[in-house]
Order: sequence, then C-alpha cells, then structure tokens
Amino acid sequence: DAGVIQSPRHEVTEMGQEVTLRCKPISGHDYLFWYRQTMMRGLELLIYFNNNVPIDDSGMPEDRFSAKMPNASFSTLKIQPSEPRDSAVYFCASSAGPTDTQYFGPGTRLTVL
Amino acid sequence: AQTVTQSQPEMSVQEAETVTLSCTYDTSESDYYLFWYKQPPSRQMILVIRQEAYKQQNATENRFSVNFQKAAKSFSLKISDSQLGDAAMYFCAYNQVRGGADGLTFGKGTHLIIQP
Repeated sequence: DAGVIQSPRHEVTEMGQEVTLRCKPISGHDYLFWYRQTMMRGLELLIYFNNNVPIDDSGMPEDRFSAKMPNASFSTLKIQPSEPRDSAVYFCASSAGPTDTQYFGPGTRLTVL
Repeated sequence: AQTVTQSQPEMSVQEAETVTLSCTYDTSESDYYLFWYKQPPSRQMILVIRQEAYKQQNATENRFSVNFQKAAKSFSLKISDSQLGDAAMYFCAYNQVRGGADGLTFGKGTHLIIQP
C-alpha cells in the first residue's frame, strides 16, 4: 500500500487567503485524523472521522477551520481566511480501528505570510 | 484529560551505546495504548513501538524496547546499539480504549542526538 498521502507538501500563502489541505488515507482504514504540529503547542488533534462521519471536532481552533470527508478515500482541511498563526505542519493519519495504530502522512508545511 | 510528559527535551548518546528516553502519563483509565513515534528531519512520523496496557510483558522491536510500569504510569523507551539513523525527535503518545477512538495525546518530544 502507498501509505497515507497528503498534498501539497508545502504551501505558502498570504494572510486572508483560503487554504485547502488534502489527504488520502490507507485503503480499508475506517478512521482518519487531522493533527497540527507547532513549536509552541506540539502535536494536537484537530478532528477525526469514522466511516466518513466527523466524530470529534473539539480540537478545531475556530470557525475558520473546516474539514470534510466526502468519501472513504479523500478528506480536506480548509482554512478560510488564513492567518499567520495558522503556520504549522498539518498531518493526516489513518487507522483500521479506533485503537489500532495510526499511520501518518508526510505532512503539509503551511506558511501564512 | 490525559496528559503525557517527556521530561528530557534533548538527549545525546555515543554511537553503539544504549540510551533510555523517559515518558510519564496521567490517566484515570485502566485500559489504554501507549506508543513511541520517531520523527526524523524529513518530519515523517514513524511508529517505533506499541504497548497495550493490559499486557504485562514489555514490547520489543529489534533494538527498541520499552519499560512499562503501569502503577507508576511510566513508559520509557530503550534504544540499544544506537545508530546514526536513530537521530530524530521521539514522541511518546497515549490512546484511550474506552469510548472508542479519541486521537493520540502526545508528549512534547525528546530530541535524540547520536554522536559518531
């Protein structure tokens, strides 16, 4: 299997612009997680899906952030409008079951100027 | 809420030596999973080892082993025969069982330096 795929790997944008991050989980995995990594806060869970349904979005920082999973093989994390404090590495991970090992994608490094 | 603490921001070890990375966690649950992930400069998060709390036997994966002390809520990682490729950030992580998936709770990480 190709593993978790994320795109783009790097994104540089200006404050106020819309940003869309994409993720393709491992085939057959029913759980998909979005994490954010910053120097100040470390790795933190933003949201996760089970069978394409959002289960817990309590980690989403504010209404500017939204996530969707239209089908089992694709998810997006959107930030609109983006702000410099959103600069971070965003990871997508997937797992077969709720407590199975989570496998991470390579991450998207987002820089908001 | 669960918390994970890694008290060593940075560790250094000579190549071929053994090093132990510390991790403690706080939870009121009795059943959970613990993980160590490695993050090299490429930033890819790579699973190193996994431990189920209900298992008394410590997990091992080749040169990597853990010392799981459930009562003390301690979960340290031992790397034997350290290699240059082991240089990376190491993150300890917790995942609860009750209530299904809840995402991983991570520690702040330990930067491991391998001296040639």
